[in-house]
Amino acid sequence: GQNIDQPTEMTATEGAIVQINCTYQTSGFNGLFWYQQHAGEAPTFLSYNVLDGLEEKGRFSSFLSRSKGYSYLLLKELQMKDSASYLCAPRNRDDKIIFGKGTRLHILP
Amino acid sequence: DTEVTQTPKHLVMGMTNKKSLKCEQHMGHRAMYWYKQKAKKPPELMFVYSYEKLSINESVPSRFSPECPNSSLLNLHLHALQPEDSALYLCASSQELRLAGLYNEQFFGPGTRLTVL
Repeated sequence: GQNIDQPTEMTATEGAIVQINCTYQTSGFNGLFWYQQHAGEAPTFLSYNVLDGLEEKGRFSSFLSRSKGYSYLLLKELQMKDSASYLCAPRNRDDKIIFGKGTRLHILP
Repeated sequence: DTEVTQTPKHLVMGMTNKKSLKCEQHMGHRAMYWYKQKAKKPPELMFVYSYEKLSINESVPSRFSPECPNSSLLNLHLHALQPEDSALYLCASSQELRLAGLYNEQFFGPGTRLTVL
């Protein structure tokens, strides 16, 4: 079967660092995406990992461990505009992207 | 142009109406997708077109009928919908359906918010 687990909600303070964890089980594995989605808007691409390790893009980093079926998204220097849902989305062997339920991140001033 | 456009933005329809959602991209992408998203839920894949041919149908009821007239356009025809079909309908595109080892991320349109009365 296919299963993706990530926390439902998280709260962090402006300027701080937050890590959003994701564990997944998919029928085969062909990379993992993280998407950001603001309320009422479409998802936007943040990062992609296909090999183990850390990928860094500005304030955002994403980590993957294929053997553990585990990924995290790290957000640094949090800004109010980072308040959004973050979707962990592994791609299976059929190249279908399976979206997790998302983590709603609340940023406090 | 890295944009996927969708029309209309909002649609209200009765259960006996026939309507269509439209999606367009000019990035030269050969894979296009329809997703349905209910509030506070992740997007659920409905259909995938690859090179203008239907590749994936996720057991979607026949009251939803997709169409890909050319490589830039994707339509979703709606007929005899139910109130539970009210949702945000998202269109997305990617370079290819299968592109091993590369990004191949999906670019999403802004969506059509559909209300069925």
